[in-house]
Amino acid sequence: DTGVSQDPRHKITKRGQNVTFRCDPISEHNRLYWYRQTLGQGPEFLTYFQNEAQLEKSRLLSDRFSAERPKGSFSTLEIQRTEQGDSAMYLCASRAGPSNEQFFGPGTRLTVL
Amino acid sequence: RKEVEQDPGPFNVPEGATVAFNCTYSNSASQSFFWYRQDCRKEPKLLMSVYSSGNEDGRFTAQLNRASQYISLLIRDSKLSDSATYLCVVTLYGGSQGNLIFGKGTKLSVKP
Repeated sequence: DTGVSQDPRHKITKRGQNVTFRCDPISEHNRLYWYRQTLGQGPEFLTYFQNEAQLEKSRLLSDRFSAERPKGSFSTLEIQRTEQGDSAMYLCASRAGPSNEQFFGPGTRLTVL
Repeated sequence: RKEVEQDPGPFNVPEGATVAFNCTYSNSASQSFFWYRQDCRKEPKLLMSVYSSGNEDGRFTAQLNRASQYISLLIRDSKLSDSATYLCVVTLYGGSQGNLIFGKGTKLSVKP
């Protein structure tokens, strides 16, 4: 257990529904990352927060995706109007400022039917 | 061309074997380099950072060649517990954003 928690661990939804995932980073880590991993691939970067500021977004993050970190602690990732192609593992990671190591949470596995 | 490319694998080796993984990266501005390990249906975990001088951690040795944009991981005396997917990872920025760029991973199965 790295100390990063994610909720829920599994989510099955129907195409067109909205889903929201939560990530709680290690408490003293001010940097938070979201990644997406599909079967047989490595994780792909989605977005990055430093404290409450969203500083970078990948082009993978379409308009249907939105992420927030309102108080610089936990973060949420919302997917609107889900599509079957959104089925993946969504991983959250956090990092302390001076360290390069990112600690990953257990992920939320999304299945869109 | 993908930013980080790895041996496609899978590698199936007997216990005690030595196995080497290779990785190349395309962006010469890459600044930090890592090997992560990912067990089946689990999150990635940092195995080791990779430095230009090469570094060793027990049975694991990592090498970096910046001129060739090449990274390697050597596992000696492999154990059953080494079975996992090994992910080669780079970052473009040494300090600020630091988002990780992953290869597809190479799956290792160590058999008795």
